Amino acid sequence: DSGVTQTPKHLITATGQRVTLRCSPRSGDLSVYWYQQSLDQGLQFLIQYYNGEERAKGNILERFSAQQFPDLHSELNLSSLELGDSALYFCASSVDGRSTDTQYFGPGTRLTVL
Amino acid sequence: AQTVTQSQPEMSVQEAETVTLSCTYDTSENNYYLFWYKQPPSRQMILVIRQEAYKQQNATENRFSVNFQKAAKSFSLKISDSQLGDTAMYFCAFMNQAAGNKLTFGGGTRVLVKP
Repeated sequence: DSGVTQTPKHLITATGQRVTLRCSPRSGDLSVYWYQQSLDQGLQFLIQYYNGEERAKGNILERFSAQQFPDLHSELNLSSLELGDSALYFCASSVDGRSTDTQYFGPGTRLTVL
Repeated sequence: AQTVTQSQPEMSVQEAETVTLSCTYDTSENNYYLFWYKQPPSRQMILVIRQEAYKQQNATENRFSVNFQKAAKSFSLKISDSQLGDTAMYFCAFMNQAAGNKLTFGGGTRVLVKP
């Protein structure tokens, strides 16, 4: 157990809908990362937050947004869902978001868009 | 942009034997970090081992060790005394500050340990 929690474990929804994925980092970690794992794109970095502020952005679609709250938990919002958004979404956390840190991953949320 | 390549999509090994997974990467940076993550059928991403580019000594973690060749931009993982629980996807990953501290992953190698 990495100490990073993600809810829900599974999510099934329809095209056009909106969902929210939640992540709680390890105790003491200030930085949160979101990654998407899909069959065709592999593992891709989406976005990073550090202590409530966005720090880095990757290949995140405009339909997707995220935030990190004062208690350091993070939410990834996916809207206008398409079939291609079906994937495993991971949250990872690290101490302070520097390149010297190791990122520890949560168990992931499996999103299925029908 | 940094890229990470794992040229072996799948490998099989007999229990108790040794298997080596290849990883190459491309970067113009001098300071960076390399990782191997394991993803078993449960889909959890588990850190296996980490290597700092400024360290010449290869990292080891119990039955897992790496062969880090900085000039060749190669970072292979050796699993010794393979166990059934080692069956998983293994991902090589690269990280550095210039790339925004994100992990850039290779495509993965599926390892099957046979009894």
